[in-house]
Amino acid sequence: GAGVSQSPRYKVAKRGQDVALRCDPISGHVSLFWYQQALGQGPEFLTYFQNEAQLDKSGLPSDRFFAERPEGSVSTLKIQRTQQEDSAVYLCASSGGNQPQHFGDGTRLSIL
Amino acid sequence: RKEVEQDPGPFNVPEGATVAFNCTYSNSASQSFFWYRQDCRKEPKLLMSVYSSGNEDGRFTAQLNRASQYISLLIRDSKLSDSATYLCVVTQSDTGRRALTFGSGTRLQVQP
Repeated sequence: GAGVSQSPRYKVAKRGQDVALRCDPISGHVSLFWYQQALGQGPEFLTYFQNEAQLDKSGLPSDRFFAERPEGSVSTLKIQRTQQEDSAVYLCASSGGNQPQHFGDGTRLSIL
Repeated sequence: RKEVEQDPGPFNVPEGATVAFNCTYSNSASQSFFWYRQDCRKEPKLLMSVYSSGNEDGRFTAQLNRASQYISLLIRDSKLSDSATYLCVVTQSDTGRRALTFGSGTRLQVQP
């Protein structure tokens, strides 16, 4: 497809489990962003990649959160030892040059 | 204090009404400004950019007041399909950081 693709669409995990969320950006988009959106709130920035380089990870809430984009295309956001407060929608966005960011549908993560 | 503040609403208006949303931002270094629209359980989508001179796109008018650090969105002749959450967004352009900073959103419900 032509848009940003995220998988899985929904993820349910037990507290303490590790999860991995995938983002497939628009082909050719250099910049890739991860955001976390809690219920009733706007998205909050987590981390930013330019190609394979992670240029900003200031929004990651703890060292349990880790993101990578090894070949400058697909990105994975990993959350270790999940906690209930990690329950949220995780949005990925990509952009080319100085163009607006295009968002994927998100992964809705529920931690039981 | 959040960096971008919006009235959460909801704003309940009849079809055909004119409705205005306001937003304030605290970081005077903010360079770019946008309104995004987010439908329930969907991803945010860019509605329009906001320029200092004010700009219009059909029934939508956006304005920016840098001195007051204030952004507005006016919707004329509201349609049922305008029902959504409207997110005020700012970004800095320094050092290549282009992460978007979102407000919590203002919910609009247009009623028949």
